[in-house]
Amino acid sequence: GQQLNQSPQSMFIQEGEDVSMNCTSSSIFNTWLWYKQDPGEGPVLLIALYKAGELTSNGRLTAQFGITRKDSFLNISASIPSDVGIYFCAALNYGGSQGNLIFGKGTKLSVKP
Amino acid sequence: NAGVTQTPKFQVLKTGQSMTLQCAQDMNHNSMYWYRQDPGMGLRLIYYSASEGTTDKGEVPNGYNVSRLNKREFSLRLESAAPSQTSVYFCASSGTGGLYGYTFGSGTRLTVV
Repeated sequence: GQQLNQSPQSMFIQEGEDVSMNCTSSSIFNTWLWYKQDPGEGPVLLIALYKAGELTSNGRLTAQFGITRKDSFLNISASIPSDVGIYFCAALNYGGSQGNLIFGKGTKLSVKP
Repeated sequence: NAGVTQTPKFQVLKTGQSMTLQCAQDMNHNSMYWYRQDPGMGLRLIYYSASEGTTDKGEVPNGYNVSRLNKREFSLRLESAAPSQTSVYFCASSGTGGLYGYTFGSGTRLTVV
């Protein structure tokens, strides 16, 4: 079946550093999404991408929909302690045959003050 | 402003006991989903309901049953709980096709002893 390979699995960084994570697949998607899960909560949507090559920002977060439509990237600039959590990529082929959102296994981010 | 509401938040069961996890959404979404989250495994789809009156198996349906009671409510039942079902369970909902992503509840942490 379709799979998303998300890396890195975990990151432990200093406050103020920039963070990069990515998600790749052997399949093509027309929608990429990034979620964040705070400890003890459900995932919350951060950014949605709908077009190959699209670059979208949400505050200090920037995500890109890869040109090949097989990958996506998330960058966090100048990390702060509240960025701690698990970040999930997700992908979908909207409008195609019934297919649900597929999730990567997550990147666990820890920030050292 | 509730979004997706899950009950209970925490539950401890003995092996062989049964229970039903409740989920309700107030966003008039057509589609609803049940996921389980285990360390290092990401989010795995148990069952979903694309629209009222329909349910389908996801990636890990064994040991579970679901009921789409009406458009708002989607319940997950464990008929005979097993320790392997110890997990955090998330309900989610979306508009048809999930174009704008899924909205998640805050989860039910289930322990089977």
